[in-house]
Amino acid sequence: GDSVTQMEGPVTLSEEAFLTINCTYTATGYPSLFWYVQYPGEGLQLLLKATKADDKGSNKGFEATYRKETTSFHLEKGSVQVSDSAVYFCALNQAGTALIFGKGTTLSVSS
Amino acid sequence: EADIYQTPRYLVIGTGKKITLECSQTMGHDKMYWYQQDPGMELHLIHYSYGVNSTEKGDLSSESTVSRIRTEHFPLTLESARPSHTSQYLCASSDQRNSFGETQYFGPGTRLLVL
Repeated sequence: GDSVTQMEGPVTLSEEAFLTINCTYTATGYPSLFWYVQYPGEGLQLLLKATKADDKGSNKGFEATYRKETTSFHLEKGSVQVSDSAVYFCALNQAGTALIFGKGTTLSVSS
Repeated sequence: EADIYQTPRYLVIGTGKKITLECSQTMGHDKMYWYQQDPGMELHLIHYSYGVNSTEKGDLSSESTVSRIRTEHFPLTLESARPSHTSQYLCASSDQRNSFGETQYFGPGTRLLVL
């Protein structure tokens, strides 16, 4: 079945460092891909998404490009802030089905 | 801004008690979901509904039950709580009309501790 694999954390960075969180997927067909973020004590919220190959999703300085040839959707940010400390989830879905999540990657940014 | 609410936010309860976790959304979404989030943060789908009077079990076996009598309301019930039920429970909803690339909106979660 479909699945999502993302890099294990925790990822610890200093403020203004470059961030990459790797995400690869296995799926039949053409899934939509998502990054969700969960701040401490809160539920998940959508960070960005892409619905077809070569699409780039972006929001709040974060970016991810849907790469069908490498089945990847890596999350990047050029300069992280302390406020970006959270858990990040990569996810996919096919039309009409529930989201399939990766296991989450904890990001900790220090000043 | 998503309008999906969960109550209570935190609950400490003794073994054997019956509990109901409430979830409501005001967006008119047809699809609703319950996830269990373990301490390692991994999410497990335990129940979902595609509309009124529709409920299905998710990927993770759960001793809880759900009902969907009204579009906006999707409560989860544990008939007899046990320490193994200690977890965070997240409710979500999405709009079935936009099934391709649909966004799920999450509530803030209920942290349950069973003693």
